[in-house]
Amino acid sequence: QQQVKQSPQSLIVQKGGISIINCAYENTAFDYFPWYQQFPGKGPALLIAIRPDVSEKKEGRFTISFNKSAKQFSLHIMDSQPGDSATYFCAASRTGAGSYQLTFGKGTKLSVIP
Amino acid sequence: GAGVSQSPSNKVTEKGKDVELRCDPISGHTALYWYRQSLGQGLEFLIYFQGNSAPDKSGLPSDRFSAERTGGSVSTLTIQRTQQEDSAVYLCASSRSGTGSGANVLTFGAGSRLTVL
Repeated sequence: QQQVKQSPQSLIVQKGGISIINCAYENTAFDYFPWYQQFPGKGPALLIAIRPDVSEKKEGRFTISFNKSAKQFSLHIMDSQPGDSATYFCAASRTGAGSYQLTFGKGTKLSVIP
Repeated sequence: GAGVSQSPSNKVTEKGKDVELRCDPISGHTALYWYRQSLGQGLEFLIYFQGNSAPDKSGLPSDRFSAERTGGSVSTLTIQRTQQEDSAVYLCASSRSGTGSGANVLTFGAGSRLTVL
């Protein structure tokens, strides 16, 4: 059972454009939603994260939008740059007592062309 | 060390052989995770260690897979009688704690790429 569905699988955006990646989750117990960025040959690195008590979080050019009722969240990259070209993974987990394993989406390969 | 260190970075083995993959987490991180990354399949949870608690092995795909963590630090993932479908990148991550603030902030290593011929 895939608990976090991510789309699109790949995305090509021109420099300066907006990149949008969407994720949907099933488990209503999830209360922590991070995005990880992975460059070739490297491990994923935390980019930005949100908790469901807010609908949006912005850090520089990166924004997470969160819709609790729809069980969806998305990553927006404003003014996309070639250096943003990477694979992006959304994830979700519970917090509090118990296991903290992150459940990841299948990833989106973003290519930003000059 | 400054980051999560994994070795080997690349491993090519023949079907049926056993392999060991090593992870050295960030000093002071009590939680350690193993994930498997296959092409087009995202990151698949394998196992989680937190301090001296019994590990969460719920993600191990078969009894050919096992992992241990000695002294609360270094971890070894062992795959016995490797199969071609085991070919993947095996990622290790650590975090400051399994509970409380920062528990979910995982720092990943660069991974061990396993190729089973």
